[in-house]
Amino acid sequence: EAGVAQSPRYKIIEKRQSVAFWCNPISGHATLYWYQQILGQGPKLLIQFQNNGVVDDSQLPKDRFSAERLKGVDSTLKIQPAKLEDSAVYLCASSARRDFTSQFFGPGTRLTVL
Amino acid sequence: QKEVEQDPGPLSVPEGAIVSLNCTYSNSAFQYFMWYRQYSRKGPELLMYTYSSGNKEDGRFTAQVDKSSKYISLFIRDSQPSDSATYLCAMRAMGSSNTGKLIFGQGTTLQVKP
Repeated sequence: EAGVAQSPRYKIIEKRQSVAFWCNPISGHATLYWYQQILGQGPKLLIQFQNNGVVDDSQLPKDRFSAERLKGVDSTLKIQPAKLEDSAVYLCASSARRDFTSQFFGPGTRLTVL
Repeated sequence: QKEVEQDPGPLSVPEGAIVSLNCTYSNSAFQYFMWYRQYSRKGPELLMYTYSSGNKEDGRFTAQVDKSSKYISLFIRDSQPSDSATYLCAMRAMGSSNTGKLIFGQGTTLQVKP
């Protein structure tokens, strides 16, 4: 079974630029999550999708972050404009419907904002 | 006060030692307790999860939950150099049936020396 795929693995941008991350969850997983992991901290949930609908985006900075999952499979997370404090690893995870405890994580995208 | 507290370490032990990793929490609504292992530059990998109080064993790993003290532990027996990683505790509250939000500790870095 293929795991969660993410790209790119690394990205370096200047502040105020925009950036997008892509995630392909495990086949058949209805629930998709984006987490932000700042160095030395645990992951923090940004947004949760159930199929293509948003379930929880309470911690997503909506003035600069956006995410979509148009066909209920792949997802993209965008930051526009980026700030220095957005430097982090962005992790995508997925779980089977209603099995929220077993979340499978991708390798993450390491973002550096200069 | 953070909802979940975890000593970041680092914790260094000799091969074969018993390792004890711990987290405390403040939210009484937490009912699901998980331990993730994260190798450098990789995504977190679910090791074990426990519902409510009690113990759970899986090979060399034992998870314990003491809800009365709001304290959870992960024990690793016969530790190996391959166990060297960051260990993250995570918790989920019983609430909306659609919410898979996990609250993570900041992680404890473990090094097992040969």
